[in-house]
Amino acid sequence: GAGVSQSPSNKVTEKGKDVELRCDPISGHTALYWYRQSLGQGLEFLIYFQGNSAPDKSGLPSDRFSAERTGGSVSTLTIQRTQQEDSAVYLCASSLRGRSTDTQYFGPGTRLTVL
Amino acid sequence: SQQEEEDPQALSIQEGENATMNCSYKTSINNLQWYRQNSGRGLVHLILIRSNEREKHSGRLRVTLDTSKKSSSLLITASRAADTASYFCATPLSNDYKLSFGAGTTVTVRA
Repeated sequence: GAGVSQSPSNKVTEKGKDVELRCDPISGHTALYWYRQSLGQGLEFLIYFQGNSAPDKSGLPSDRFSAERTGGSVSTLTIQRTQQEDSAVYLCASSLRGRSTDTQYFGPGTRLTVL
Repeated sequence: SQQEEEDPQALSIQEGENATMNCSYKTSINNLQWYRQNSGRGLVHLILIRSNEREKHSGRLRVTLDTSKKSSSLLITASRAADTASYFCATPLSNDYKLSFGAGTTVTVRA
């Protein structure tokens, strides 16, 4: 596709429910990032995928958070037993090789609201 | 924790005026990037400046980097209403693939 896409654009859920957020990166990009942005804050790194290497999960805030990247393309971020503090915009980005000098291309984000 | 601090947190200017925002960081870097975010959604890359560069231009944008002071500035000249957005600086962390983003400067351009 022309850019990074994410779905859904908005998700409202009840506390305790599980949610899945999807990211389709730019075709050919080997690196994929997930970030979380709380209201009025900067971006908080969650997880990084690069090719077939083991992902860097060091930013995941708890074991309720997990992510997969199937076939080196689409990624799914799963939040189990959602809590109100999980409410945020979840942003996905991809880059060509995952180097710091590579431009990261962001999707429009998923706004998650946990009631 | 973030290694960048941006200043000011918010800025309101009249259309046609210039907007300047600053970013300070803590550790040595090999590059610094600026991104723009409209309406709390996806970020758009604006410009990258390498540690051996002192100034870089892209259209109406001018970025400076002072590695001795660990600071960078972004200048938007002749601002337009469409420049209303949040602007973030980002620097690479030691492992080279992660970027650390500041909390951003929110710019409002009044018509």
